Amino acid sequence: EVQLVESGGGVIRPGGSLRLSCAASGFIFDDYGMTWVRQGPGRGLEWVSSINWNGDSTHYADSVKGRFTISRDNAKNSLYLQMNSLRAEDTAFYHCARGTVGGSLGFDSWGQGTLVTVSS
Amino acid sequence: SYELIQPPSVSVSPGQTASITCSGDKLGDKYACWYQQKPGQSPVLVIYQDSKRPSGIPERFSGSNSGNTATLTISETQAMDEADYYCQAWDRGTAVFGTGTKVTVL
Repeated sequence: EVQLVESGGGVIRPGGSLRLSCAASGFIFDDYGMTWVRQGPGRGLEWVSSINWNGDSTHYADSVKGRFTISRDNAKNSLYLQMNSLRAEDTAFYHCARGTVGGSLGFDSWGQGTLVTVSS
Repeated sequence: SYELIQPPSVSVSPGQTASITCSGDKLGDKYACWYQQKPGQSPVLVIYQDSKRPSGIPERFSGSNSGNTATLTISETQAMDEADYYCQAWDRGTAVFGTGTKVTVL
């Protein structure tokens, strides 16, 4: 069974940094690209960033470009999102999902998400 | 930037058919996916590559995509289908989600 478990969320002041992690199991991690998607309170889904299977290709939404960095450690079956210069509008549940850039197969597995609250 | 527009809400009676549209410029030239999200839960992929169903998704879910519009159709709608639905496509290396549609089963 595919499992994706996010961690690292919390309350952080504007301008601060946070690192999210996603632990993957139940599938061959380095066979897949991975993605972060966020959902603000009462809002829709917003794509944040994607990374290919070996980490040498990354893509970002304009809203986070230059502030967030996606990475992965295939030896640890883990995906990461380093978030710097956080803003109030970054407040959201952050989900990791299995699926790659441009993939026609969609995001076929999702974690439960970790909540990031940016507030003074 | 690329946008995908959905109606905010759709109402349907049990046993009837619900259709949810997703509009975007030349969307038919891209692959569309659809996700179902129930309150307090993570999204679930229900359609990929315009019209294919992942394993475990009931046959009453179907999809199409042509021109500027992708459509998710739920046949013989059940109470358990009440949820938010989002379309999604890729545009120049960016994943775009639709604005979302709340399906209410009356």
